[in-house]
Amino acid sequence: QSVLTQPPSVSAAPGQKVTISCSGSSSNIGNNYISWYQQLPGAAPKLLIYENNKRPSGIPDRFSGSKSDTSATLGITGLQTGDEAIYYCGTWDSSLSAGVFGGGTKLSVL
Amino acid sequence: EVQLVESGGVLVQPGGSLRLSCAASGFTFRTYAMTWVRQPPGKGLEWVSSIDTGSDDTYYADSVQGRFTISRDNSKNTVYLRMNSLRAEDTAVYYCAKGGISTTGLDYWGQGTLVSVSS
Repeated sequence: QSVLTQPPSVSAAPGQKVTISCSGSSSNIGNNYISWYQQLPGAAPKLLIYENNKRPSGIPDRFSGSKSDTSATLGITGLQTGDEAIYYCGTWDSSLSAGVFGGGTKLSVL
Repeated sequence: EVQLVESGGVLVQPGGSLRLSCAASGFTFRTYAMTWVRQPPGKGLEWVSSIDTGSDDTYYADSVQGRFTISRDNSKNTVYLRMNSLRAEDTAVYYCAKGGISTTGLDYWGQGTLVSVSS
């Protein structure tokens, strides 16, 4: 079981919006920056969001991040079939002195 | 262009040892923390270990503490993962990534190298 909790799957239609939640505790999300990653089938993960809500160069503004207390959310608007992937949240856990990931959420664009 | 190229993944017997390497290029290696992440077949990501810029601080997941050692050679732009006492559950694709998971985020990843532990 992962330290960070994500829903196993979400789905939405093309053009719609979806949100993916990531729940943790005060030792991880509550006191550290969170990052989000997209993993397409057969590929290495790719950074989408860092420091809770910042997008690296080249990541479209359809992707957004937010954090509140011990939870974080990834938002994706204008869904495209190419967005079908597994999405992971990650952060540092100060109690464990280690990094932690969520279990991953599979996004289906129906 | 940032590139991270892992090597060293092989089939090894339980109890064996292995050293993974990750050769970095395209950025000032000595100024960034580096991280290893693994992914067992068909499963999610697992953070394994990270090292700061000067090798003063290293961190490990509980699952590998005492068996794995992360190190770096800033003169060779390379980060290593020494893996001892390997177990079947260490079977995974091992990714090298630039940065720290909660500071800069892991902004570049290698293609991964497969470690299989089996008799």
